[in-house]
Amino acid sequence: SQQGEEDPQALSIQEGENATMNCSYKTSINNLQWYRQNSGRGLVHLILIRSNEREKHSGRLRVTLDTSKKSSSLLITASRAADTASYFCATGTSNSGGSNYKLTFGKGTLLTVNP
Amino acid sequence: NAGVTQTPKFQVLKTGQSMTLQCAQDMNHNSMYWYRQDPGMGLRLIYYSASEGTTDKGEVPNGYNVSRLNKREFSLRLESAAPSQTSVYFCASSEPTHSYNSPLHFGNGTRLTVT
Repeated sequence: SQQGEEDPQALSIQEGENATMNCSYKTSINNLQWYRQNSGRGLVHLILIRSNEREKHSGRLRVTLDTSKKSSSLLITASRAADTASYFCATGTSNSGGSNYKLTFGKGTLLTVNP
Repeated sequence: NAGVTQTPKFQVLKTGQSMTLQCAQDMNHNSMYWYRQDPGMGLRLIYYSASEGTTDKGEVPNGYNVSRLNKREFSLRLESAAPSQTSVYFCASSEPTHSYNSPLHFGNGTRLTVT
């Protein structure tokens, strides 16, 4: 079953603009992770935000987490053509004992950055 | 340092044939995973191995078997391939244990077509 759902499914912007992608989920999480996938390649981890954190930065990436709304956003500032890729959120959950950890991926947002 | 290596990169099978997908990691990670990626479905977990000597079913294990050969290698076997198993298969590993704070490192995938 799908836990995280990205929005929008596809996003096309011009180089230099900012790109914002959203992720909504249904159940309580331990953490939320964002990954990038270039065409024909494996996923690459971008950033991890824990459930007790509200915002994290990494270079041109900014991730926010609102556990009350069960949502997260990924902002890429000053986008470049090389940022063209699919972006996935993944939610980390475990049972009440802290075991049976699962990482569940959403369906992704396809970002196209036009030169 | 190759990271996660998957072989083969491409494979075409006829219905009913068997094959094994190989995965090896050189990062000394304890946990390894097999996912499949289908259009519009995101990534779904097939099997995972929290540590050497253990394997567990994921979300979609039917039709597959796995072997954690040693700490480095985790193979996925299709005993009798079906067209529904046409997909892109990704192997991943994480450090240091099956921990909810660990990002995944992915291979570049095996593209399997079953006719």
